[in-house]
Amino acid sequence: AQSVTQPDIHITVSEGASLELRCNYSYGATPYLFWYVQSPGQGLQLLLKYFSGDTLVQGIKGFEAEFKRSQSSFNLRKPSVHWSDAAEYFCAVDTNQAGTALIFGKGTTLSVSS
Amino acid sequence: GAVVSQHPSRVICKSGTSVKIECRSLDFQATTMFWYRQFPKKSLMLMATSNEGSKATYEQGVEKDKFLINHASLTLSTLTVTSAHPEDSSFYICSALARLTSGNTDTQYFGPGTRLTVL
Repeated sequence: AQSVTQPDIHITVSEGASLELRCNYSYGATPYLFWYVQSPGQGLQLLLKYFSGDTLVQGIKGFEAEFKRSQSSFNLRKPSVHWSDAAEYFCAVDTNQAGTALIFGKGTTLSVSS
Repeated sequence: GAVVSQHPSRVICKSGTSVKIECRSLDFQATTMFWYRQFPKKSLMLMATSNEGSKATYEQGVEKDKFLINHASLTLSTLTVTSAHPEDSSFYICSALARLTSGNTDTQYFGPGTRLTVL
């Protein structure tokens, strides 16, 4: 069955330090992958997405993610975290490649310490 | 582009009453919208897929008579929680499917969510 796993429930990073949030997926075909961010009490904002092509995807707010088929991973990275990056991050896979069947991971809460 | 709004952002109602939540695509037309429910510290659970001009498709376990969905126009979908009970208290998020001019596939864009509290 298709699934998305975010192994880290909660991560704390110092401001200015680098960040990597992990995401592993289980899907038989070529996946369409997404990262969304949710600030407290807010909806989800699309950070970046991967459909095909270059496996390193650039997103908004200085985020990037790398698709590694051999590891079934789509980890999110940022070289220098800002306090405003504190939020909930969700990885998702589109299981029908039409945008209509998203499966979300359980999310990773990012805290930023000063 | 691809801005989705929800109204209200927060609502408190008494048990047994009905509540309507609106989801609008502001700068694009959306033939397909989605309604999700999110519990505290939990991921999003898809409730139903709303298609303009036709009946919504509900996920398994979601009561269609309790969660009424209407998608009467290309920019508006509504979710009505009928005879609400405290267990219906949750964060409801909608999304709309869009294909931007810069993209080559459809992507869901999410609204800001509605916090429902049933007393």
